[in-house]
Amino acid sequence: DGGITQSPKYLFRKEGQNVTLSCEQNLNHDAMYWYRQDPGQGLRLIYYSQIVNDFQKGDIAEGYSVSREKKESFPLTVTSAQKNPTAFYLCASGVLSQPQHFGDGTRLSIL
Amino acid sequence: GDSVTQMEGPVTLSEEAFLTINCTYTATGYPSLFWYVQYPGEGLQLLLKATKADDKGSNKGFEATYRKETTSFHLEKGSVQVSDSAVYFCALSDLGGNNRLAFGKGNQVVVIP
Repeated sequence: DGGITQSPKYLFRKEGQNVTLSCEQNLNHDAMYWYRQDPGQGLRLIYYSQIVNDFQKGDIAEGYSVSREKKESFPLTVTSAQKNPTAFYLCASGVLSQPQHFGDGTRLSIL
Repeated sequence: GDSVTQMEGPVTLSEEAFLTINCTYTATGYPSLFWYVQYPGEGLQLLLKATKADDKGSNKGFEATYRKETTSFHLEKGSVQVSDSAVYFCALSDLGGNNRLAFGKGNQVVVIP
């Protein structure tokens, strides 16, 4: 079945450590997105990419980095510069004029 | 910028009750509107959508009508079930541009047997 796979489901980060969240899609979608979800705050856009080798900052990009070397993959790195990384991270993909499809998320916690 | 506002607070109701979740939006253009649902520990699933004024989206007994005059997209269901317990998000997208979504804060719905 086509879909979006996020891994791992749970991730723990130590102080000063960078961690990378994986997002893979087999829907042949051009665009991919990363959102952060905090309790009571809805979803906020971190980064998005509309085409391979190109990406743009969203509303809360500070402390995060991404790459888009392949159409299927859009990994998100949470760097040590992100001082409050504990959250639920959701990856999505889509094409113009169609709703976005979401993965099942990665929950990141601080040790 | 574009934004979505959902009514405050969780919604608790009994099985077979009528559900309404209010959603209003602010947008400079003519966005498409969506309701997404999130079950515990999962990602978001598209529940329904409407792409132009007066469109009615419907799915699984849920309905919402795109009201341009009141900039609203309220979600309704006539008779809820325990399985409808989830968090519901209203969202808008410019679609014609970069397909960015703006989300409301979500409403937790708890249906009691």
